[in-house]
Amino acid sequence: AQSVAQPEDQVNVAEGNPLTVKCTYSVSGNPYLFWYVQYPNRGLQFLLKYITGDNLVKGSYGFEAEFNKSQTSFHLKKPSALVSDSALYFCAVRDGEGYQKVTFGTGTKLQVIP
Amino acid sequence: DAGVIQSPRHEVTEMGQEVTLRCKPISGHNSLFWYRQTMMRGLELLIYFNNNVPIDDSGMPEDRFSAKMPNASFSTLKIQPSEPRDSAVYFCASSGGSFNEQFFGPGTRLTVL
Repeated sequence: AQSVAQPEDQVNVAEGNPLTVKCTYSVSGNPYLFWYVQYPNRGLQFLLKYITGDNLVKGSYGFEAEFNKSQTSFHLKKPSALVSDSALYFCAVRDGEGYQKVTFGTGTKLQVIP
Repeated sequence: DAGVIQSPRHEVTEMGQEVTLRCKPISGHNSLFWYRQTMMRGLELLIYFNNNVPIDDSGMPEDRFSAKMPNASFSTLKIQPSEPRDSAVYFCASSGGSFNEQFFGPGTRLTVL
């Protein structure tokens, strides 16, 4: 079985400060890891993914994430937060073997304070 | 590309009525997913199709729910009869290619009175 944990329901950060949204995962095979963002009354939008290769992955809107195999983590980061980054962020994992079922975390609400 | 298209965007119905939600995936994508999102339960996978064939329907809550994908460009999710606890936002997503990120539609907000 595979699972994803997002330990923080909400993260508050001041505009211009760096932000981190945490994610840990559990999967039996090699993980495929994803981050999605959801703005109010919208569907989820893909931000970035880790499949293989460089542990630091860069994605849309200046976001990046670092894959850490020993800690089974895939934290989302951004050097300087914008008010427009305020949204709900979902981490997701898929086992690289087998079929494509993706397990989503419970989501972390990011609030960037002006 | 217009992205994943869902209709209707909003649906209000009365308990006991049949509800049909529709989805058009991105052209060329071979996988389609139906999700339900609520405050209490978060994002739940209901069913997954690959090449129009249902692969995993373990998330379908009960027999009142059914989903079909008659061709590569269309899928439906039907609830019959609907109940107030079915009120949620229902998302359709599609994916294709080797690395499988999903593209979500705008969702259908269902309210069952």
